[in-house]
Amino acid sequence: GIQVEQSPPDLILQEGANSTLRCNFSDSVNNLQWFHQNPWGQLINLFYIPSGTKQNGRLSATTVATERYSLLYISSSQTTDSGVYFCAVEGFYNQGGKLIFGQGTELSVKP
Amino acid sequence: GAGVSQSPRYKVAKRGQDVALRCDPISGHVSLFWYQQALGQGPEFLTYFQNEAQLDKSGLPSDRFFAERPEGSVSTLKIQRTQQEDSAVYLCASSFMDRGADTQYFGPGTRLTVL
Repeated sequence: GIQVEQSPPDLILQEGANSTLRCNFSDSVNNLQWFHQNPWGQLINLFYIPSGTKQNGRLSATTVATERYSLLYISSSQTTDSGVYFCAVEGFYNQGGKLIFGQGTELSVKP
Repeated sequence: GAGVSQSPRYKVAKRGQDVALRCDPISGHVSLFWYQQALGQGPEFLTYFQNEAQLDKSGLPSDRFFAERPEGSVSTLKIQRTQQEDSAVYLCASSFMDRGADTQYFGPGTRLTVL
């Protein structure tokens, strides 16, 4: 099945710093989503981005489907950005929408 | 509008007990998914419903796990004869489309602890 790898596994930032999180996937995809899992465990949708570039405030994401990777950019980080960021993909040949998650990047933003 | 809700939020079971976990998807969403998240891991797919039809149950770890969505709305995940390895957070997600390639919205999860 499709493999999803995220890097780095852990990241510590000072408040105000910028960061880039990466997601590599091993096959063509129908769907790619970025999530933020907050300390209470809630998975919050950040982007639905199987291809192209999107921006939402301090966050932006780019997926280059032909090269099988996606990047999540966080600018001017805040302590509330702390948590685990997951990339999840739906394989192109899957008909049901099942998402395969990466292992996540755990981000800690220090004041 | 209301998001995906799950109940209970926390469940403690003694080994061997049966448990039932409930998911209320977003109104009008056709697709419903269950995922299992072990501590420190990403969620893993369990099963998928399109309306009331269970189209994919390839992720259910054993025949002790059973899911249903009889009227195409609320879903229940049942675990029989719980084991310690069943301890995890169980997440439910729903999406509007019936063929994937759509945003999935997740509920807050049910944290199951089996003693």
